[in-house]
Amino acid sequence: NAGVTQTPKFQVLKTGQSMTLQCAQDMNHEYMSWYRQDPGMGLRLIHYSVGAGITDQGEVPNGYNVSRSTTEDFPLRLLSAAPSQTSVYFCASSTIGGTEEAFFGQGTRLTVV
Amino acid sequence: RKEVEQDPGPFNVPEGATVAFNCTYSNSASQSFFWYRQDCRKEPKLLMSVYSSGNEDGRFTAQLNRASQYISLLIRDSKLSDSATYLCVVIPLTGGATNKLIFGTGTLLAVQP
Repeated sequence: NAGVTQTPKFQVLKTGQSMTLQCAQDMNHEYMSWYRQDPGMGLRLIHYSVGAGITDQGEVPNGYNVSRSTTEDFPLRLLSAAPSQTSVYFCASSTIGGTEEAFFGQGTRLTVV
Repeated sequence: RKEVEQDPGPFNVPEGATVAFNCTYSNSASQSFFWYRQDCRKEPKLLMSVYSSGNEDGRFTAQLNRASQYISLLIRDSKLSDSATYLCVVIPLTGGATNKLIFGTGTLLAVQP
């Protein structure tokens, strides 16, 4: 079972460059989300989606865009990378209801120089 | 004040010891509670859900105190393989259908031989 597949695993960007982090899940989950994890800060919610065509902002959305054209895919776009976006990014998916396990991708370690 | 607060540790304990972690949350309307485990440079994975009546899974016991708004995790007979960061996770009750996981910063456990 693939679960949640997140690519790339590592990325180095120059300030001002753009890129897309890919996330795909094969569990038919309605809910997908993106988090960033920084030392001492825990995981913070960037954007989330409750289904295809529906997205919303989380706690730290600035500098990021998302779209959800299919149930399976939830890409995260960095519009113009900044050093403050250096972080580890995790994509997660789950059923809706608030009681079920969330499954995470393996993470993307992004460095912006 | 952070929505979910944990003692970051590290907790250094010998093999076989019993160790307890606490976590407090600020939103009294929170509906679901979990402990996730995160190994170094890996994604978070569900350890156990936390129920009002308390629940046990082998050497792990989780408790929820809604009146005092805290969650605890007790690990008995610690193993070297228990070394990891333990993340307290809360899902607040919202008007819409979401699974917004709110993470604590995590507690680092290091079990020593």
